[in-house]
Amino acid sequence: DIQMTQSPSSVSASVGDRVTITCRASQGISSWLAWYQQKPGKAPKLLIYAASSLQSGVPSRFSGSGSGTDFTLTISSLQPEDFATYYCQQANSFPHTFGQGTKLEIK
Amino acid sequence: QVQLQESGPGLVKPSETLSLTCAVSGYSISSGYYWGWIRQPPGKGLEWIGSIYHSGSTYYNPSLKSRVTISVDTSKNQFSLKLSSVTAADTAVYYCARLWGSGSYVVYWGQGTLVTVSS
Repeated sequence: DIQMTQSPSSVSASVGDRVTITCRASQGISSWLAWYQQKPGKAPKLLIYAASSLQSGVPSRFSGSGSGTDFTLTISSLQPEDFATYYCQQANSFPHTFGQGTKLEIK
Repeated sequence: QVQLQESGPGLVKPSETLSLTCAVSGYSISSGYYWGWIRQPPGKGLEWIGSIYHSGSTYYNPSLKSRVTISVDTSKNQFSLKLSSVTAADTAVYYCARLWGSGSYVVYWGQGTLVTVSS
């Protein structure tokens, strides 16, 4: 299985801050990567697919980049509703696997 | 608007079979797409269980393959998950989902249902 490792595991930030979350794959996955946002008690929500494509309806402050083994999710200016847990997911090969999550907390 | 709703027992005894159904509204399963199941143990991360194409072809996570069966019932516009020989490690919130991009990404999620394995 391809292992997905996110860093940091948690981060504290303030409204208006720029935040970057990193995801590293244990082997190359081209651009087969998605990012999801999950709030407590809710299902995850797709933000980014194919590493850098913004899902319809997702604010433009979210962006993704990377290919191969290293990927980033950037939130350009944090809003109150962005405080949540973020997961990356590789779709290059089965089984599709997720990172362990990054919890974004209010400072 | 596509909506998915999981249903099934919230408590299953060890060694028994977990059975869940996902009812789909707003889209006909027979029209296409992959449909899948993903789970999340309490306080932990996400695990891909498996998926099924509208035609019936399936993919299962190898770590669960010997115990998992996913099937589709187009007449009822629903698909199902069966997981046999469950243990406490199978306690999780189970999500059904509609996949996109050749079954790569989850666009639509059910609300999730907690299944606890306990005697």
